[in-house]
Amino acid sequence: EIVLTQSPDFQSVTPKEKVTITCRASQTIGISLHWYQQKPGQSPKLLIKYASQSISGVPSRFSGSGSGTDFTLTINSLEAEDAATYYCHQSSGFPITFGQGTRLDIK
Amino acid sequence: EVQVVESGGGLVQPGGSLRLSCAASGFNVNTVYMSWVRQAPGKGLEWVSVIYTGGGTYYADSVKDRFTISRDTSKNTLYLQLKNLRAEDTAVYYCARGSSLAFDKWGQGTKVSVSS
Repeated sequence: EIVLTQSPDFQSVTPKEKVTITCRASQTIGISLHWYQQKPGQSPKLLIKYASQSISGVPSRFSGSGSGTDFTLTINSLEAEDAATYYCHQSSGFPITFGQGTRLDIK
Repeated sequence: EVQVVESGGGLVQPGGSLRLSCAASGFNVNTVYMSWVRQAPGKGLEWVSVIYTGGGTYYADSVKDRFTISRDTSKNTLYLQLKNLRAEDTAVYYCARGSSLAFDKWGQGTKVSVSS
């Protein structure tokens, strides 16, 4: 099983700050890594697919990078509405796995 | 509009069964791969099962031999049959559409509670 480890688990940030969330895979997965945002009481929403491909309708302040085992989700100029839990997900092999999540609080 | 709507959750005793449904609109369930993902209370996301366009299916080890994924193209609906339910199956179950192996559309979820 491919284990995805996100860091940090929790971060308290101020608006307009730049935020970086990392996701490390236990084995190489190419670019088969996707990012989701889940706000309280809502279902997850796809933010980035295949490590760095943008999704229509997602604000341009969200970007992704990485390949192999190390991946990054970057949020430039954080906004209050970005308070949520963020998950990475790998589709390289079965079982499909998710990271444990990173919760972002806005100060 | 592309949409998926889950239903069928509820309270069930350990060892019981449920069938979850996911009604799709705006696309055909047999033209994309579809998955079920669950989220236990206060916990993260856990993949449960997938059905591919060709009909192939895969399951998480935790549900193998107890859960069955299927689809009805005439009703454009995805199903998850849950049997021999355990307390640890308590979760919100989401239906998710796959697009190039990422999940690009999720439903609102249906809650399953397993308790005596």
